[in-house]
Amino acid sequence: KAGVTQTPRYLIKTRGQQVTLSCSPISGHRSVSWYQQTPGQGLQFLFEYFSETQRNKGNFPGRFSGRQFSNSRSEMNVSTLELGDSALYLCASSLRRDLNTGELFFGEGSRLTVL
Amino acid sequence: GENVEQHPSTLSVQEGDSAVIKCTYSDSASNYFPWYKQELGKRPQLIIDIRSNVGEKKDQRIAVTLNKTAKHFSLHITETQPEDSAVYFCAASGFKAAGNKLTFGGGTRVLVKP
Repeated sequence: KAGVTQTPRYLIKTRGQQVTLSCSPISGHRSVSWYQQTPGQGLQFLFEYFSETQRNKGNFPGRFSGRQFSNSRSEMNVSTLELGDSALYLCASSLRRDLNTGELFFGEGSRLTVL
Repeated sequence: GENVEQHPSTLSVQEGDSAVIKCTYSDSASNYFPWYKQELGKRPQLIIDIRSNVGEKKDQRIAVTLNKTAKHFSLHITETQPEDSAVYFCAASGFKAAGNKLTFGGGTRVLVKP
C-alpha cells in the first residue's frame, strides 16, 4: 500500500511569490491534515480536511489556505510568501474520522525555502 | 486552545540506560495522547499512544504513563539503543469534535551514545 505522497519535495521561491503544495493520502483515507515544521516552532497545525470539508484551522494568517478534492487529494497554498514561511510542510492522512479511533500517517514533506 | 509543553528539549543517554520525556497539556478535555518519533530526514511515525481511560501502556521497550489529574504524560524508553536516537514529539488531541487535529510539543532530541 502506497504511503502519503507529497509533491514537490523541495522548492525555492522568492518573497512575494505564491506556492501550491500537493498531498495524496493513503488510499481510502478521507482525512488530510497539514503541519508546518520549523526548528524553532516544532510542528504547528495548519488545517484539516475530511470529505472535502475543512474541519479545523490553526493560527496562521489568511495567506495560508487549502482544499481537498473528491478523491481526498489535498493542496495547500501560500500566497505572498515571506522569509518566515521557509519550513518543512508535512501532510498527514488518517483512515478514521477522529483520532480516537485512528492514527496519523505522515508524508515525507515539502521543504520550502523562501529567499 | 490546547498548549503542550515538552521537556527536556535535548537528552543524551548512554546505550542501555533509560530515557524519560515529559509533557504537560492545558486542555482538560484532551483525551488522546500519541508519541511520534522522527529520525533525521524522515517523516514522523507513531510509536505509541494512550487514551484518557488508561493510565499506562507498554510496548516492548517503550511505555507511556498518563496522569489526567495533573495533566501530564511521559514517555519511557528502557535499555536504549543507538537506533533510538531521534526527535520525539508528544501530542494531544481533544474530544471528537476536534477531528484529527493534534497539538504537538516542541520535541525532544534524544542522542544515545554507544
